[in-house]
Amino acid sequence: GENVEQHPSTLSVQEGDSAVIKCTYSDSASNYFPWYKQELGKGPQLIIDIRSNVGEKKDQRIAVTLNKTAKHFSLHITETQPEDSAVYFCAASKGINTGTASKLTFGTGTRLQVTL
Amino acid sequence: DSGVTQTPKHLITATGQRVTLRCSPRSGDLSVYWYQQSLDQGLQFLIHYYNGEERAKGNILERFSAQQFPDLHSELNLSSLELGDSALYFCASSVGGRAVETQYFGPGTRLLVL
Repeated sequence: GENVEQHPSTLSVQEGDSAVIKCTYSDSASNYFPWYKQELGKGPQLIIDIRSNVGEKKDQRIAVTLNKTAKHFSLHITETQPEDSAVYFCAASKGINTGTASKLTFGTGTRLQVTL
Repeated sequence: DSGVTQTPKHLITATGQRVTLRCSPRSGDLSVYWYQQSLDQGLQFLIHYYNGEERAKGNILERFSAQQFPDLHSELNLSSLELGDSALYFCASSVGGRAVETQYFGPGTRLLVL
C-alpha cells in the first residue's frame, strides 16, 4: 500500500521567515495531495491541495509543489506568523472513489513553531 | 468550522466496554470517512461509507464497526475496548462523486479507555 514520509518532524522559524515541509510517497498511482493544519484540540483543516496534473499551486502565503517523477511534494509557507504555529500533515490518495483508492494516507506530521 | 459535527467530544470508559461515536457530515455530502489518530500510529484510515453503503475498509479492527444511516449521519461502534484503543477518532466528509473531493474533518472524539 501507499506510504508517505514527511520531514522534518519539528521545525522552528522566526516570524517573517519561510518554512518548507517535504513529503515523499511510494505509490505512483497516487494523484491527489492535500495538506492539513491541525491546531491543538482541533481536527485537521485543509489548507491547500494539488492534483497530479499541476506542478505548483499558490494561495496567498502558502504554496505546494509536486514532482511526480521523484514522487515528492512540498509545502511552502512564506512570511510566517505566530498563528501559523501548528502541526502540518501531508497526505496522498489515488483520487477516485473506488475501493480504498479514496482513502487518505497521511504523513507523520510536522510541528511548526513560529517564534517572535 | 468545517461543518462536520461529532459527538461526544470526550469519552472516558473502562476496558471491555462498548461505545458509539456519532458523526454528521456537511450538508450535501454523501461520503463519510472515519480515521483514528494515536501517538504511535498517526492518522489512520478506518472505513469509508458512501450514501449508506460501505465503500472501503482500512485498518479497522473486527471489534469496530460502522454504519451510515438514511439521513447520512454515521456511527462508529467500538466494542470490547482495550487500553490501546485510546485515541482521537475523526470523521471526515466529502461530496462523494466519482473523483475524490476534499475531505473536511470534524473536531474529533477523544476516547480514553481506563
